[in-house]
Amino acid sequence: DAGVTQSPTHLIKTRGQQVTLRCSPKSGHDTVSWYQQALGQGPQFIFQYYEEEERQRGNFPDRFSGHQFPNYSSELNVNALLLGDSALYLCASSLSYGYTFGSGTRLTVV
Amino acid sequence: AQTVTQSQPEMSVQEAETVTLSCTYDTSENNYYLFWYKQPPSRQMILVIRQEAYKQQNATENRFSVNFQKAAKSFSLKISDSQLGDTAMYFCAFRRVGGTSYGKLTFGQGTILTVHP
Repeated sequence: DAGVTQSPTHLIKTRGQQVTLRCSPKSGHDTVSWYQQALGQGPQFIFQYYEEEERQRGNFPDRFSGHQFPNYSSELNVNALLLGDSALYLCASSLSYGYTFGSGTRLTVV
Repeated sequence: AQTVTQSQPEMSVQEAETVTLSCTYDTSENNYYLFWYKQPPSRQMILVIRQEAYKQQNATENRFSVNFQKAAKSFSLKISDSQLGDTAMYFCAFRRVGGTSYGKLTFGQGTILTVHP
């Protein structure tokens, strides 16, 4: 049974560019959440998708947007990248209260 | 809003010994879940143990157990017979049951645990 798959694993972007991160949830999971984890810190909730709709959102600017597809996979888009967006981005899929996390995408903005 | 605080940035323990990681939280909710997650260098967040707030009995998973004090809003993790593979960053996390924050996990700052041979 496949877990959560995130791509790419590493990414380097220049300030001002746009980036798209991808997540395939665990089989059978219908909800996808995204978290930003700065180096040495705990993950911060960005938003959650369920039935292709953003169900709730954390304290992140509109530069952060997302999408969920009919097969439950999801994308996280970040526009106008800032140096402060450098972080590990984690995707977690869930069904009821059980969460499964991916290994994340390490984004470096230079 | 909920907050989760882990006051120990780093801890170390000798192999086969016992270590306790601390976590406190603040919430006005009465029903919620608490979690301990482990994040090794592979970066994947792995669930260690879960506690439902309505259950008075402390959760146990093999060598891992918690001390849940609801009135004190405290949720510590005890690791017995520590193993080298327990070396990782440990996060305490909170989740409401229902409501507008459904599904959102609030994490603490983490504790780096090093197990020495």
